[in-house]
Amino acid sequence: QVQLVQSGSELKKPGASVKVSCKASGYTFTSYAMNWVRQAPGQGLEWMGWINTNTGNPTYAQGFTGRFVFSLDTSVSTAYLQISSLKAEDTAVYYCARDVASNSGYDAFDIWGQGTMVTVSS
Amino acid sequence: EIVLTQSPGTLSLSPGERATLSCRASQSVSSSYLAWYQQKPGQAPRLLIYGASSRATGIPDRFSGSGSGTDFTLTISRLEPEDFAVYYCQQYGSSRITFGQGTRLEIK
Repeated sequence: QVQLVQSGSELKKPGASVKVSCKASGYTFTSYAMNWVRQAPGQGLEWMGWINTNTGNPTYAQGFTGRFVFSLDTSVSTAYLQISSLKAEDTAVYYCARDVASNSGYDAFDIWGQGTMVTVSS
Repeated sequence: EIVLTQSPGTLSLSPGERATLSCRASQSVSSSYLAWYQQKPGQAPRLLIYGASSRATGIPDRFSGSGSGTDFTLTISRLEPEDFAVYYCQQYGSSRITFGQGTRLEIK
């Protein structure tokens, strides 16, 4: 079945980096854009941006430039989110989520990963 | 940036009742690019409605969406026990996708 499986929880110290993976299965990975969404503890959903899985071109939302990098490994149908220079305020659940229809971006999200909890604490 | 304001913040109803959730946008949402999601504790969001009124695959027909422009509504015709959750609206008609702050639907 169509699914996205994310890597496990991470505990990192301030200033460190983390790389979250999102492995797709059950569909053609390069046919649908992939988004990243952040949810801080007890808070709502925040869109971080998206990546065209065919071209690898990323688009970052305001507030997610500089320390955040979206990347792909199409050979294993996997998208990645890397966050550098981690801060306490980066503590959140990070979701990958697939566009409904295409690789054009700016769509609803029909398939979601289970989420990866990233905790930043000294 | 399009700001989405959901109301009420919390809705207390009983199973079998009708639920009406509102989402108001700070400016018109292009082509009714408005979606609704359900999120239960410890779970990822689930797409219910996209394009303001189209049900996603596998979503029961007790869920319906309506509206256009700046005012949108999610209606659950007869609440089932599994429907008590947090609901988010999302607009994807602009270059910055935004979500509402959520409506918590709780059992009365």
